[in-house]
Amino acid sequence: RKEVEQDPGPFNVPEGATVAFNCTYSNSASQSFFWYRQDCRKEPKLLMSVYSSGNEDGRFTAQLNRASQYISLLIRDSKLSDSATYLCVVSGGSNYKLTFGKGTLLTVNP
Amino acid sequence: DADVTQTPRNRITKTGKRIMLECSQTKGHDRMYWYRQDPGLGLRLIYYSFDVKDINKGEISDGYSVSRQAQAKFSLSLESAIPNQTALYFCATSVPSGDTDTQYFGPGTRLTVL
Repeated sequence: RKEVEQDPGPFNVPEGATVAFNCTYSNSASQSFFWYRQDCRKEPKLLMSVYSSGNEDGRFTAQLNRASQYISLLIRDSKLSDSATYLCVVSGGSNYKLTFGKGTLLTVNP
Repeated sequence: DADVTQTPRNRITKTGKRIMLECSQTKGHDRMYWYRQDPGLGLRLIYYSFDVKDINKGEISDGYSVSRQAQAKFSLSLESAIPNQTALYFCATSVPSGDTDTQYFGPGTRLTVL
C-alpha cells in the first residue's frame, strides 16, 4: 500500500459544482494532516490543516477519519480560480517528514 | 519580497557537470528541506536540516549533497549531474508549532540535464 494515496483524477467540473477529494494513508502513527494546493509550475501552498474534529474554511471542508486512515477535502461552489492540483500531505509527527500524495488535478470550467 | 527564494529559477546543464542550487529564507525558520518533483511521482525529500549543524538524508539523497551555510541558507549540489536528475526542485522551510510543522515552499528551480 502506498504511503499516501489520492484519487488519480483529473476532475473536470462546472463552476458552482461541489467536488470531493479522497486520500488514504498507510502509517497509523501519522499525526498531522494537510491539504496543499499547487498551481501549474508553481510551488505547493498550504490550503488547510486537517483536524480530527473536521474543519472548515469558507467553501472548503476537510475531514479526517483516523480509524479508516482517510482524509477528505470538499470544495463547494467551485470557482474558476480553484483549478489546481490538490496534494494530500501526511506527517509522521515529532519528526520532520512530510509524505506527499501525487496530487489530484482539478479543472473548473465556465 | 518572497520569504523563500531559490536561485537559479531555471537551469540547463550537461551530463557530468557539477551544479549548485541555492535557497535563502527570511522567515527565521530553523528547519529547511530540499525536494524534487517529477511528473506522476509527487514530491520526494532529498535532504533536510533542522539547524545549521544538523543535516539528514531524505528518501532520495544519492547523487546529491547539501550545505547549510547559515540559518537562512541551504544549498543543494549535484556532484555529477545525470539526465534522470532533470526535475523541478523545491526548497522549503518550517518551524514546529505544537504537534504540527507547516512547510513553506520556495518558487522552485527547473533543472534540465542534457
